[in-house]
Amino acid sequence: SQQGEEDPQALSIQEGENATMNCSYKTSINNLQWYRQNSGRGLVHLILIRSNEREKHSGRLRVTLDTSKKSSSLLITASRAADTASYFCATTEYGNKLVFGAGTILRVKS
Amino acid sequence: EAGVTQFPSHSVIEKGQTVTLRCDPISGHDNLYWYRRVMGKEIKFLLHFVKESKQDESGMPNNRFLAERTGGTYSTLKVQPAELEDSGVYFCASSQPGLGSYEQYFGPGTRLTVT
Repeated sequence: SQQGEEDPQALSIQEGENATMNCSYKTSINNLQWYRQNSGRGLVHLILIRSNEREKHSGRLRVTLDTSKKSSSLLITASRAADTASYFCATTEYGNKLVFGAGTILRVKS
Repeated sequence: EAGVTQFPSHSVIEKGQTVTLRCDPISGHDNLYWYRRVMGKEIKFLLHFVKESKQDESGMPNNRFLAERTGGTYSTLKVQPAELEDSGVYFCASSQPGLGSYEQYFGPGTRLTVT
């Protein structure tokens, strides 16, 4: 099965800076999603981008998708301490089951 | 609206013992998924229920794992007997009916420690 791989594994930035996380996958997809996990909590859905979309925005989040390179990026602008979390990309397979990448640990220092 | 809940939040058991994890999905969500994250590795799919039926159990690691969803409401995941490699965080997620419902709502997870 395909797996998304996140890059970088860990990212530490100052509050107010932008954070960019990348994800690669291996097979054709219908859509790609990004989830966030705060320490000790469940995953929270952030944004979904379909295979026929190239860019999508939601608040301070911007997601791009390049199906030719099988990659996606998540940009968080004007980061806040509350954005500190693990971020995962996930592709959808048969039955809508999610295939997750290893995740990026983001730390935003105030 | 109540979210997905899981019980217990943390379980510590000895190798060879039995543990049962419970998941209560969001009311009305026909789709229920189990995932787990073993230390340092990716979150992996275990199985998928549609109502009370197992739609896909291709991710279940072996026959020591048994999942049920009687009545199509809450689900249990039993590990019997538990092994050291079963340690990790077990997540449950639910989603609305329909093939186009891609967003999944996750519970906080159950951290299982097998010693």
